[in-house]
Amino acid sequence: QVQLQESGPGLVKPSETLSLTCAVSSYSISSGGYYWGWIRQPPGKGLEWIGTFNHPGITWDNPSLKGRVTMSLDTSQNQFSLKVTSLTAADTAIYFCARVTTPGGDWPYFDYWGQGALVTVSS
Amino acid sequence: EIVMTQSPATLSVSPGERATLSCRASQSVSSHLAWYQHKPGQAPRLLIYGTSTRATGIPARFSGSGSETEFTLTISSLQSEDFAVYYCQQYHRWPPLTFGGGTKVEIK
Repeated sequence: QVQLQESGPGLVKPSETLSLTCAVSSYSISSGGYYWGWIRQPPGKGLEWIGTFNHPGITWDNPSLKGRVTMSLDTSQNQFSLKVTSLTAADTAIYFCARVTTPGGDWPYFDYWGQGALVTVSS
Repeated sequence: EIVMTQSPATLSVSPGERATLSCRASQSVSSHLAWYQHKPGQAPRLLIYGTSTRATGIPARFSGSGSETEFTLTISSLQSEDFAVYYCQQYHRWPPLTFGGGTKVEIK
């Protein structure tokens, strides 16, 4: 069974950059065939899509994040990463990584998720 | 952006009873609708995709139906492990991919 595990700092200061990594096991991300993505859940709220990208490096991100997101793949480590810049308290959330299935390349949904990593933005 | 609205926010159900969860889209999403189950501290789990197709390993008591803007997730006979929060997600028109606000299924 495919497993994903997020890692990163639990506490980040306002205006700084968040960096998270998602380690993938039981599936080689260099195999292709899937996209990869990030979703977050602010405290007491629902799920918010952050972004999705594929192996050639095409990315799609949520316009609400105003271009603050960068995603990348590290096939040598079988992991992928997320960076979010210019953090504010509103970015405090549980961050989930996920594998993305896209039948036909156009219809993405999330078939495997990590357990999530809590990130608090505070000075 | 397609807005997804789930109802009710909380559903109180006794074990063994049927649970019916609703998800409405602000515009048509065709059949491009998925459902997820999420328990605190755990990874969310894909239950249903394509409106009605169960994901691998999902028990038959979970079923999805609907089309266009109105969708339903039905759990035919609630088991103890089914008490969780359920989210719908549209993947018809994106970016952005959007989720509903969730329905918490709790023990009555």
